[in-house]
Amino acid sequence: QSVLTQPPSVSGAPGQRVTISCTGSSSNIGAGYDVHWYQQLPGTAPKLLIHGNNNRPSGVPDRFSGSKSGTSASLAITGLQAEDEADYYCQSYDSSLPGEVFGGGTKLTVL
Amino acid sequence: EVQLVQSGAEVKKPGESLKISCKGSGYIFTNYWIGWVRQMPGKGLEWMGIIYPGDSDTKYSPSFQGQVTISADKSIRTAYLQWSSLKASDTAMYYCARREGDASGFDYWGQGTLVSVSS
Repeated sequence: QSVLTQPPSVSGAPGQRVTISCTGSSSNIGAGYDVHWYQQLPGTAPKLLIHGNNNRPSGVPDRFSGSKSGTSASLAITGLQAEDEADYYCQSYDSSLPGEVFGGGTKLTVL
Repeated sequence: EVQLVQSGAEVKKPGESLKISCKGSGYIFTNYWIGWVRQMPGKGLEWMGIIYPGDSDTKYSPSFQGQVTISADKSIRTAYLQWSSLKASDTAMYYCARREGDASGFDYWGQGTLVSVSS
């Protein structure tokens, strides 16, 4: 069981908006540690999608956005496209371990 | 261009030792942390540990402490992940990834090294 909890799956039709939640605790997200998001397309290495809670690396479309509040964070994807079908992971730091932690991952299906 | 190039796939038997590598290029190798991430078949990402090649400062996940050794040779810009005695449960894809500071995400990833352990 992961320290950061994500829904196993989400789905949406092309053009729609979906959100993926990442729920932590007072020793990670709630302690103020940054949340990062990764996209993993089938058969490929993960790719950094959002860093520092809400910052997009160069080249990442502005359809992707991140937010954080309290002990949770969210990734929002607007204008859903078929190419967005992938696994998404959140990552933060946990002071009780101590060390980096990943969420269990969320599989996004574009209907 | 920043690149992390990992060594090729390995097929090993239980009890054997193994050392896989991750070579960085296109950036100042000693200024960034290199982390290792495990992905078991059909499963999620697990952080194993991280090393700062500049001074070899190394941190391990409690889940992997004592099970693997992370090292780096800054003279050849390469980080390593090694096992002294593999188990079947070590079968997985292993990724290396770069990050700048404690609060940064992993911005560049290697292509992954598939390790298969079977008798």
